[in-house]
Amino acid sequence: AQTVTQSQPEMSVQEAETVTLSCTYDTSESDYYLFWYKQPPSRQMILVIRQEAYKQQNATENRFSVNFQKAAKSFSLKISDSQLGDAAMYFCAYRSGTSGSRLTFGEGTQLTVNP
Amino acid sequence: AAGVIQSPRHLIKEKRETATLKCYPIPRHDTVYWYQQGPGQDPQFLISFYEKMQSDKGSIPDRFSAQQFSDYHSELNMSSLELGDSALYFCASRTSGYNEQFFGPGTRLTVL
Repeated sequence: AQTVTQSQPEMSVQEAETVTLSCTYDTSESDYYLFWYKQPPSRQMILVIRQEAYKQQNATENRFSVNFQKAAKSFSLKISDSQLGDAAMYFCAYRSGTSGSRLTFGEGTQLTVNP
Repeated sequence: AAGVIQSPRHLIKEKRETATLKCYPIPRHDTVYWYQQGPGQDPQFLISFYEKMQSDKGSIPDRFSAQQFSDYHSELNMSSLELGDSALYFCASRTSGYNEQFFGPGTRLTVL
């Protein structure tokens, strides 16, 4: 079974600074997808960014980018120019490309943005 | 754009009662997922349906059942409720060939 680990329960960053959230996963599959979801106080699950394992190029969405290291099974999220609205719980998630499409989530990282 | 609709948004039940949660996926989405998120925890996959057939099953208790209807909406039925069933229940939907699951706002179930 696949597992996803987020080793940072809490992180904080100053507004306008950059922060990196860590995620590692364990799988024996070669075809899979990785995601970062944001869960603000409203509890809504919002997709931030996704990465297909077969793509070598790191995904980027505006101020959000990932560092995908397939060999190391690492998938970190970098938030640049942090804004107060970025404060939320961030979940890393894994989806198999071959056996079902359920999402397996990490434990989450609570991000605080300080003004 | 249309989003995933869940009802009710909040539900309070007593122990040993039953509850039914409803999910209306985004139009033309053919796959529905149910997740349970306990307090301070990450979402856990319960069950999914593709074209009205169960496609995958996770850590769903035997007291729970679910189905997807002809109009693609789905219902999660929970019986003999326990205090530990108190959680946020998410429904998500997806269309084949697209990787993203779109989440609904969730139903917060409180069991007293």
